[in-house]
Amino acid sequence: ETGVTQTPRHLVMGMTNKKSLKCEQHLGHNAMYWYKQSAKKPLELMFVYSLEERVENNSVPSRFSPECPNSSHLFLHLHTLQPEDSALYLCASSQGLQGQPYEQYFGPGTRLTVT
Amino acid sequence: AQSVAQPEDQVNVAEGNPLTVKCTYSVSGNPYLFWYVQYPNRGLQFLLKYITGDNLVKGSYGFEAEFNKSQTSFHLKKPSALVSDSALYFCAVRRISSGSARQLTFGSGTQLTVLP
Repeated sequence: ETGVTQTPRHLVMGMTNKKSLKCEQHLGHNAMYWYKQSAKKPLELMFVYSLEERVENNSVPSRFSPECPNSSHLFLHLHTLQPEDSALYLCASSQGLQGQPYEQYFGPGTRLTVT
Repeated sequence: AQSVAQPEDQVNVAEGNPLTVKCTYSVSGNPYLFWYVQYPNRGLQFLLKYITGDNLVKGSYGFEAEFNKSQTSFHLKKPSALVSDSALYFCAVRRISSGSARQLTFGSGTQLTVLP
């Protein structure tokens, strides 16, 4: 799991807080992803970045704001979250050439609890 | 639109017995199909993928999966289960299209428990 790292691993925040999740990939990939994983539900794709440009935003509320300053780093800025946003947030990366079946490599996730 | 169904939330199997984790998919056109495994407090790990060609795909840790186009299935199998195989397994599909984004659609997961 050293290929994709995420910090922090656990985060508890109040609804009025602002926090950020960080993801870093050491694989030389050029596509990065944010997913939300809730119990008993399929993974929900939130954002996709390719070559630092956002290429997909799956109707995610504006209280989630992604940032990709370079191809190795991805952030998810959080503000005024709701309790239903509590979940495991997973970052992934892939070589990401369009149309090619590259597998994604996942980080360990950040367990977020909104109180 | 594309979708994945994993009809079993939970699969229990005795150690040493063969295991199967089921997956069916729906996609327009031909699919890329993937299996991932998630151990507790870890991210997903790639196991194997089907792109084209041989319908039987071999992957990591002795797992294999069989692509069946007529049944739109991609079941994960292993001839002899280990206790250490106990984990959450996800099937995923992506439509083959030069215009598609890199979006994978995941199933809801199947918890595999291998009993000693």
